[in-house]
Amino acid sequence: GNSVTQMEGPVTLSEEAFLTINCTYTATGYPSLFWYVQYPGEGLQLLLKATKADDKGSNKGFEATYRKETTSFHLEKGSVQVSDSAVYFCARNYGGSQGNLIFGKGTKLSVKP
Amino acid sequence: DTAVSQTPKYLVTQMGNDKSIKCEQNLGHDTMYWYKQDSKKFLKIMFSYNNKELIINETVPNRFSPKSPDKAHLNLHINSLELGDSAVYFCASSRGQSEAFFGQGTRLTVV
Repeated sequence: GNSVTQMEGPVTLSEEAFLTINCTYTATGYPSLFWYVQYPGEGLQLLLKATKADDKGSNKGFEATYRKETTSFHLEKGSVQVSDSAVYFCARNYGGSQGNLIFGKGTKLSVKP
Repeated sequence: DTAVSQTPKYLVTQMGNDKSIKCEQNLGHDTMYWYKQDSKKFLKIMFSYNNKELIINETVPNRFSPKSPDKAHLNLHINSLELGDSAVYFCASSRGQSEAFFGQGTRLTVV
């Protein structure tokens, strides 16, 4: 089937700590992969994306690499800030459009000063 | 200028009522979507419209009826509201192979 599985939170880190949020997907074919972020009280914003195997998406210090062999798209950041506190969603598309999205369940990240 | 705007931002209503949520995008996109986010933050696509035509209709009760008067608008009408309809509803839009842009969400509370 088509699904996205990401590590469940919440994740609590100290400022400047290293962040990894795991995400794996199942798919027939090669979907595009995304990380969206939802800050408290706000809508979803695209954080980064990758459209084919071995692509690396990056934005605001976050990175994720499309790994076909492990069907993974783990999100990483070397040094988190308090302002990174949010819910992070991994997603893959289906049906050709990049807006037809299957989301993971979200991972809440809290960064303490 | 807001790219994808939804109104209202908050909606509290009684069971059995009929309500609408409006969505407009000024990005020139040709595809619009409605997503539902439940109390556990889980997001699921409800509908997808391309050039005013319904493309995707996931397993959503037929009390939910999307209406697209033009490519820039996709409104969501909900009949006979139930407690379980309480959620945050997100509108989104995209064009071609570009990523989707989301609105700020409408928090619907049915009492």
